[in-house]
Amino acid sequence: AQRVTQPEKLLSVFKGAPVELKCNYSYSGSPELFWYVQYSRQRLQLLLRHISRESIKGFTADLNKGETSFHLKKPFAQEEDSAMYYCALSSLGGGADGLTFGKGTHLIIQP
Amino acid sequence: NAGVTQTPKFQVLKTGQSMTLQCAQDMNHNSMYWYRQDPGMGLRLIYYSASEGTTDKGEVPNGYNVSRLNKREFSLRLESAAPSQTSVYFCASRTDRGSLPLHFGNGTRLTVT
Repeated sequence: AQRVTQPEKLLSVFKGAPVELKCNYSYSGSPELFWYVQYSRQRLQLLLRHISRESIKGFTADLNKGETSFHLKKPFAQEEDSAMYYCALSSLGGGADGLTFGKGTHLIIQP
Repeated sequence: NAGVTQTPKFQVLKTGQSMTLQCAQDMNHNSMYWYRQDPGMGLRLIYYSASEGTTDKGEVPNGYNVSRLNKREFSLRLESAAPSQTSVYFCASRTDRGSLPLHFGNGTRLTVT
């Protein structure tokens, strides 16, 4: 069974400080990992996916297969980063049953 | 290009009432999904449809039914609503069975009293 764990329900940091949102996964096959962001009362939006290896809004995430982690990082937090962040997993190249989501981390950036 | 459209945005039901949540996508996606979002629980898959004419149970299907009316539309029905079904419901779609990302609708906020 696949599982995604986000150990922090709430993370509060000051503007300009570094941010790291943790995500660990459990999956027997080859996973594809995603980060989704949900701003207040809006739809979930894709932030980034590990296969693209891109940086969006200053965020990056590296898949570490040895540690089964996909932590989301940003060197300098901005107030507009305040949102819910969800880590999600899919089987690579297959799997019609959507994504498995973590329980989410509420990121609050204090001024 | 509207993407994924859900109706209604808000709904209040009394226990035992029934209703159908509508979802339509205009991206020619094969796969469609219904999730519920609850505080502290993240998103949990209720039902999904890998293609027109097929539906499958997800993690939390009890109390729900779905219909894949055509390629565009995937509806979620609550036959007899219960307070435990108070939640925010999201519809999503993606191109095929592959690992491409999901596109989400704006959600339906349902309260059952």
